[in-house]
Amino acid sequence: KNEVEQSPQNLTAQEGEFITINCSYSVGISALHWLQQHPGGGIVSLFMLSSGKKKHGRLIATINIQEKHSSLHITASHPRDSAVYICAVRWRGEKLTFGTGTRLTIIP
Amino acid sequence: GAVVSQHPSRVICKSGTSVKIECRSLDFQATTMFWYRQFPKQSLMLMATSNEGSKATYEQGVEKDKFLINHASLTLSTLTVTSAHPEDSSFYICSPGQEFFGPGTRLTVL
Repeated sequence: KNEVEQSPQNLTAQEGEFITINCSYSVGISALHWLQQHPGGGIVSLFMLSSGKKKHGRLIATINIQEKHSSLHITASHPRDSAVYICAVRWRGEKLTFGTGTRLTIIP
Repeated sequence: GAVVSQHPSRVICKSGTSVKIECRSLDFQATTMFWYRQFPKQSLMLMATSNEGSKATYEQGVEKDKFLINHASLTLSTLTVTSAHPEDSSFYICSPGQEFFGPGTRLTVL
């Protein structure tokens, strides 16, 4: 069964801390997405990657194909980064499977 | 990334009415459109997949006569919730090609 697991489920940190959110999946994939969902509900696609590493501003996403694992890092975290971060994977030709999300709260 | 818009962003309606949600992909031609819904504190659930000019394919448990999907062009898809009931209250999200996501439409049925 194709499964996606995220950890931690909830994360609270002080402003400025380095944040890491993890995503593991059970079988080989064709692509992995990191999504951000703010309290209002809107979803923003942060990254789509199939190998290596991508960086956008303070956000970094990495993926290790052999270990079937991806991480999302946030440097110099800020209260506006507070949101739910969702990992979603796509197996070849299949629909996206979503993780349960990580609720991040950054305290000023 | 592509700009995807949904209209309306939120709607409140009475039970029994129909609601149409539009999804526009402004700079990405979406051959396939994916429609999701999300109940509070739950993950996104795929409702249906539609290919431009073809009938939609619905996931198990999603009533095709209740959730009408039209994908008439590569940049516009609509989801119509017919005879809405309170249990249809949810957050509806479109995704062109599973690569980009709309901002969502929050539907509340009274």
